[in-house]
Amino acid sequence: SSELTQDPAVSVALGQTVRITCQGDSLRSYYVSWYQQKPGQAPVLVIYSKNNRPSGIPDRFSGSSSGNTASLTITGAQAEDEADYYCNSRDSSTNHQVFGGGTKLTVL
Amino acid sequence: ELQLVESGGGLVQPGGSLRLSCAASGFTFSSYWMHWVRQAPGKGLVWVSRINSDGSSTSYADSVKGRFTISRDNTKNTLYLQMNSVRAEDTAVYYCVRSRGISGFDPWGQGTLVTVSS
Repeated sequence: SSELTQDPAVSVALGQTVRITCQGDSLRSYYVSWYQQKPGQAPVLVIYSKNNRPSGIPDRFSGSSSGNTASLTITGAQAEDEADYYCNSRDSSTNHQVFGGGTKLTVL
Repeated sequence: ELQLVESGGGLVQPGGSLRLSCAASGFTFSSYWMHWVRQAPGKGLVWVSRINSDGSSTSYADSVKGRFTISRDNTKNTLYLQMNSVRAEDTAVYYCVRSRGISGFDPWGQGTLVTVSS
């Protein structure tokens, strides 16, 4: 399958924990990476190879994966975490890159 | 500092052509595969194309195959996207991104807006 499916929108209370999920058959075979995009800005890598953070990304961001589902967890969400989040992996049939449709995170 | 700077976007008529450029700095450009990713207004990220480190291998999304050509000049640390026979649905911000393999896309350029309209 060439699709990665994400919930369109998720909300979380300030300081609480939120999980953003990404589903797709390719996740059984390939690593997932996650990107944060704030309005008017370019995306930023926040998690790669399932659960690795680039330097500068707060440790409240973590990743996990099981079967055909990958998750991005924000533990203790902050107001500045309000953004769109995209998962990315590889299409197992075409070997092309594919992105999920994105999840809009609202911090209440 | 790692940096990717896109240029060349603008308004183009349907059926026309445009060439995007992406100037890289702060890393050994010739060692990395590079990609183009686009984002239509208010929509999500869509992968467009990729090129390997020496330019000998390319790949395209079905939506642009046969119309777009990705290339690079490692002597100028620059990535290109030649866009021909453009359509209204090609209207988007085009991002240049460095691939770190299984370690994701990083960094991203600031993007360049392409608007296809008569």
